[in-house]
Formats: sequence, C-alpha cells, structure tokens
Amino acid sequence: DGGITQSPKYLFRKEGQNVTLSCEQNLNHDAMYWYRQDPGQGLRLIYYSQIVNDFQKGDIAEGYSVSREKKESFPLTVTSAQKNPTAFYLCASSIQAGVGPQHFGDGTRLSIL
Amino acid sequence: GIQVEQSPPDLILQEGANSTLRCNFSDSVNNLQWFHQNPWGQLINLFYIPSGTKQNGRLSATTVATERYSLLYISSSQTTDSGVYFCAVERYNAGNMLTFGGGTRLMVKP
Repeated sequence: DGGITQSPKYLFRKEGQNVTLSCEQNLNHDAMYWYRQDPGQGLRLIYYSQIVNDFQKGDIAEGYSVSREKKESFPLTVTSAQKNPTAFYLCASSIQAGVGPQHFGDGTRLSIL
Repeated sequence: GIQVEQSPPDLILQEGANSTLRCNFSDSVNNLQWFHQNPWGQLINLFYIPSGTKQNGRLSATTVATERYSLLYISSSQTTDSGVYFCAVERYNAGNMLTFGGGTRLMVKP
C-alpha cells in the first residue's frame, strides 16, 4: 500500500546527543515536510523540501537539520542545539508544494532521558 | 505571519448531535485543508477545499475565501468522531507552506 512510514514510533534522547527521525514515502511525491506538535497545540513547520537536493527552513528550524538525497526519503536530525526537543514529530508529503493535499505519517514521539 | 483561529476550542456532544466548527484566517490563502487527529495522534486529511462546499458522508465543509473563513459540519455524530479537528491554510508566496490553527477538541459521548 502507498503511504508514509515514520520510524521509530518512540525515541529517547540523552543530553548532548543528536538523534535522527526517519521518514519514507512511496507515493512518488515531490514535496515533503516535517512538523512539530507540542501537547495541546497545533502543528508547526520545521523544514520542507520541494524537490530532491533542495530544502527550506520553516517557522521553527533552529536546532534541526534535514537532508533530501532521495525522492522517497526526508530524514530529520534533532541536534543537541535544540534545547526543548520533547514533542510529537510528524512527516508529510504532497504531489508538489502547493498542489494537492498533504498526507501524514503516524508520527514519532521524542522524549528526553 | 498569517493567523489561523479555530472555534470553539473544546466541544462536547451527545452521540447523534450535529455540530459546526469554524476556522478564520487573517490573509489570502492558496488553499485550505481540514484534518482529524485521533487519540493515537494519527492525522487524517478530511477535506482539501480552497472554496465552495464538499461533502463526504456525514461530514461536509464550506470555504468562503473572500471572507476568510471555513466551516466543518459534522452530522449525526458518533463516538469515533472524537479527537481534534485542525484547519490548516496554505500561504501564498511562502513556498505554499501550511499554517495550522490551534484545533477544536471534540468529545462525543455515548
């Protein structure tokens, strides 16, 4: 079945550690997105990519990094510079940026040890 | 930046009741989407609706872009409708990024 797969579902980070969240899609979509959701809040955009080897900062990019080496993959690294990383992270994709609806993965919950 | 406000923030319904959720936005947008987030955090796309009215079973949505609002109607509510409903707008001249509202938390009681 076509869809977006995020892994792991739960992740724990130690102080000073970088962690990477995986996002894979087999929908042949050009655009991919990363969002952060804090408890009781809406989603905020971290980074997005309109095409392979290109990505742009969203509203809250500080302390995060991404890469887009393959069309189907858009991993997010939460660096040690992100001082409050505990949140629910959601990855999404769309046919093209600004074209068609965004479809979401099931998310990764990140907590600090 | 663009502001997206949803009302009401919380809503409790008896099973079988109808409800209307509202989304107001502060600037022109390229598009608008409604999502349902279930208790497990899964975000499901309900409608992709830049203007006009769409229906999908017991749900329907109307967007009046010129007046900068959208409405989501839920008829004959069921307990499985519980969760959080988000409105998100696609901004012009900003890579068509989505900006989310704060959500409406719906609980449907049996």
